[in-house]
Amino acid sequence: GNSVTQMEGPVTLSEEAFLTINCTYTATGYPSLFWYVQYPGEGLQLLLKATKADDKGSNKGFEATYRKETTSFHLEKGSVQVSDSAVYFCALSTGKGAQKLVFGQGTRLTINP
Amino acid sequence: EAGVAQSPRYKIIEKRQSVAFWCNPISGHATLYWYQQILGQGPKLLIQFQNNGVVDDSQLPKDRFSAERLKGVDSTLKIQPAKLEDSAVYLCASSIGTGGRAISGYTFGSGTRLTVV
Repeated sequence: GNSVTQMEGPVTLSEEAFLTINCTYTATGYPSLFWYVQYPGEGLQLLLKATKADDKGSNKGFEATYRKETTSFHLEKGSVQVSDSAVYFCALSTGKGAQKLVFGQGTRLTINP
Repeated sequence: EAGVAQSPRYKIIEKRQSVAFWCNPISGHATLYWYQQILGQGPKLLIQFQNNGVVDDSQLPKDRFSAERLKGVDSTLKIQPAKLEDSAVYLCASSIGTGGRAISGYTFGSGTRLTVV
């Protein structure tokens, strides 16, 4: 079946550090890949997406590249801020019809000033 | 544009009691989803509606969970009777429809946090 595996958290970094959160997936067919973010007390928000191999999704300084050969979609940011503290979820969606999202377990990120 | 509305925000019940959650999707969104997010895990789809028809309920524990979407707008998710392991955040989401446009317009509500004691 389809599944997503994220790196274990929590992750704690200092402000302006480089961030990588690893995500790998298992899927039949050609999934679309996503990163969602959940800030404290808020709902899930789409951060970025990529719909085919070698696509790069980007938003708010975050980037992730769809790597079919390694079945990966790692999230990166060059210089994190305290406001980036949140839980990050990698997810995939397959199929042309039902847009069911399959999520990883989430990675809690804390940025210290 | 108003977001996906959910109520209540929090609910505490005893095991074996029943509980219901309500969701009002974004106006015009044909597809509605209920997800269960257990603490420390990612959300898991329980049921998906397209208008007022069920598209996918393969992971809904039908012996205790039920959901309906009357008139293709609001939806209610019910648990009866509740178990301790049902403690979770129940998220409602909606999207414009299916296909490529769906994900761009996929919007989550803030969720209902259920605690079963």
